[in-house]
Amino acid sequence: GAGVSQSPRYKVAKRGQDVALRCDPISGHVSLFWYQQALGQGPEFLTYFQNEAQLDKSGLPSDRFFAERPEGSVSTLKIQRTQQEDSAVYLCASSKQRDHSYNEQFFGPGTRLTVL
Amino acid sequence: SQQGEEDPQALSIQEGENATMNCSYKTSINNLQWYRQNSGRGLVHLILIRSNEREKHSGRLRVTLDTSKKSSSLLITASRAADTASYFCATGSSYNQGGKLIFGQGTELSVKP
Repeated sequence: GAGVSQSPRYKVAKRGQDVALRCDPISGHVSLFWYQQALGQGPEFLTYFQNEAQLDKSGLPSDRFFAERPEGSVSTLKIQRTQQEDSAVYLCASSKQRDHSYNEQFFGPGTRLTVL
Repeated sequence: SQQGEEDPQALSIQEGENATMNCSYKTSINNLQWYRQNSGRGLVHLILIRSNEREKHSGRLRVTLDTSKKSSSLLITASRAADTASYFCATGSSYNQGGKLIFGQGTELSVKP
């Protein structure tokens, strides 16, 4: 497909369980972003990759959150020892250029994570 | 943390009416973008306005930007039921490495047929 895809679309985890969320950006897009969206709120920035380099992880809420993009395309957001407050929609976005704040970002449909 | 606030939080209008949403932000920016989010779907980019622009049009959309007041508005003319969605403003800044966006809390628009 031509857009950003994410999997799984829905994930239910028991508290304490580890989860891994996948993002397939648009082919050739250099920049990749992860955002967290709580119910009724706007998305909040988590982390940013330029190719395989993670250049900004200032938004990750704790050291339980880890993201990687080893080959500069697919990215995985991992959450260890999930807590109820981690319940949210996790959005991935990609953009064409690097380090350029005029870029439109293309968003995936998100993964809705529910931690019981 | 969110960049700013959107006003109103919710708006209900009849089809054919115009809808105006406002966004305020806190820090200096070099662009402001508007996104739409339908229930259960991802965010879709609508329009981008640069900090040196005051007004921009795209189809039925009109965006204004007032950097002195740190505010923007989105006008949707001749609304349709399909415009029902949440609308978010998002700011980009040269201070935000890579162009990360800071989003507002959104306006939930309901257009009744």
